[in-house]
Amino acid sequence: DAKTTQPPSMDCAEGRAANLPCNHSTISGNEYVYWYRQIHSQGPQYIIHGLKNNETNEMASLIITEDRKSSTLILPHATLRDTAVYYCLYLSGYSTLTFGKGTMLLVSP
Amino acid sequence: DVKVTQSSRYLVKRTGEKVFLECVQDMDHENMFWYRQDPGLGLRLIYFSYDVKMKEKGDIPEGYSVSREKKERFSLILESASTNQTSMYLCASSEPGQGFTNYGYTFGSGTRLTVV
Repeated sequence: DAKTTQPPSMDCAEGRAANLPCNHSTISGNEYVYWYRQIHSQGPQYIIHGLKNNETNEMASLIITEDRKSSTLILPHATLRDTAVYYCLYLSGYSTLTFGKGTMLLVSP
Repeated sequence: DVKVTQSSRYLVKRTGEKVFLECVQDMDHENMFWYRQDPGLGLRLIYFSYDVKMKEKGDIPEGYSVSREKKERFSLILESASTNQTSMYLCASSEPGQGFTNYGYTFGSGTRLTVV
């Protein structure tokens, strides 16, 4: 079973920041948090990952709480093309990702 | 551009047929994975492989087998297709020591299989 908790859906206006939360209270100290997204009818796409520190790349920012029990993915200026299901997950065991149901983000004009 | 390529985008097969789903990656990754995705159930791991000729069962291996004769190719086999195997099948690959790489898993575009 997936060990993360995400809201099933969120809405965001185009051009605004989208903040997607995730709870992962059972994560252990050496496990990385990963975020992926899946646009309709495509395979999941890697977005970003982190361990303790906040991370930023060209797609998004990742904020991890100090106790590492939760994180937030930030899309700073959401576009219509960011409409997708966003998955938060972490590695448990050896190199297998367990996907939950994710958050369906709908970006509207 | 690195890629995971799945041989078919859409496939229709009859009940009882033997079905082969092929996946090829060009990144020299050691790890390869097969998932299926169904509405309301998310992605579920079927089988994975850490090396040539090695395979490990995932969460739902029943009714499936796999073959990895070459590093770049990982095949999913439905020995006798059934209607409950109608699904989207996704192949992925990754480098070993997954938690310490930058790009995680790379997924293919998926094969939508319908068993009639």
